[in-house]
Amino acid sequence: GAGVSQSPRYKVAKRGQDVALRCDPISGHVSLFWYQQALGQGPEFLTYFQNEAQLDKSGLPSDRFFAERPEGSVSTLKIQRTQQEDSAVYLCASSLLAENTGELFFGEGSRLTVL
Amino acid sequence: KNEVEQSPQNLTAQEGEFITINCSYSVGISALHWLQQHPGGGIVSLFMLSSGKKKHGRLIATINIQEKHSSLHITASHPRDSAVYICAVKGSGNTGKLIFGQGTTLQVKP
Repeated sequence: GAGVSQSPRYKVAKRGQDVALRCDPISGHVSLFWYQQALGQGPEFLTYFQNEAQLDKSGLPSDRFFAERPEGSVSTLKIQRTQQEDSAVYLCASSLLAENTGELFFGEGSRLTVL
Repeated sequence: KNEVEQSPQNLTAQEGEFITINCSYSVGISALHWLQQHPGGGIVSLFMLSSGKKKHGRLIATINIQEKHSSLHITASHPRDSAVYICAVKGSGNTGKLIFGQGTTLQVKP
């Protein structure tokens, strides 16, 4: 596609459920980022992939959060045993070059609401 | 104290006014991004700066590396400029993650 695509756009989960959020970056983009944006706040870094390698996962808030990009293109962010504090918009961004040295392209985000 | 601070947090302007949004940061950086986010919408990259000044249409972004400060200017503002403007920095020596400011909410009234 022409841009970064995320799905689902909206997800409502009951507390304790597992969720999976998908990101399709722009084809050929090396760098892929996941960010978490709580209501009224700026995005917070979660994790970074360079191709299939997860080079930085320092922002993942707990071991309930897991991300993968097995073939260096599509990425999935998985949240296990969701809690209410996980409610946020999860943003994916990609960049053509490594280490975010180029322009950054964001998806529309996946809004997660945990009841 | 946040590593990236923006001011003002909220800004209301009349159509046609010249607008300035400021960003100060406390870490060493290799690049600074200005981003635009519309309500319910995704984030669009406006500028990526490592030095000097860039201009795109009615938007101008400047950065002073020594003073650790950047500004985003909007000339002849229009109601469609109403959005949240976010400053984000890429630290030097890390793997590319951005540190975001809290954003500035701009409303331009007709």
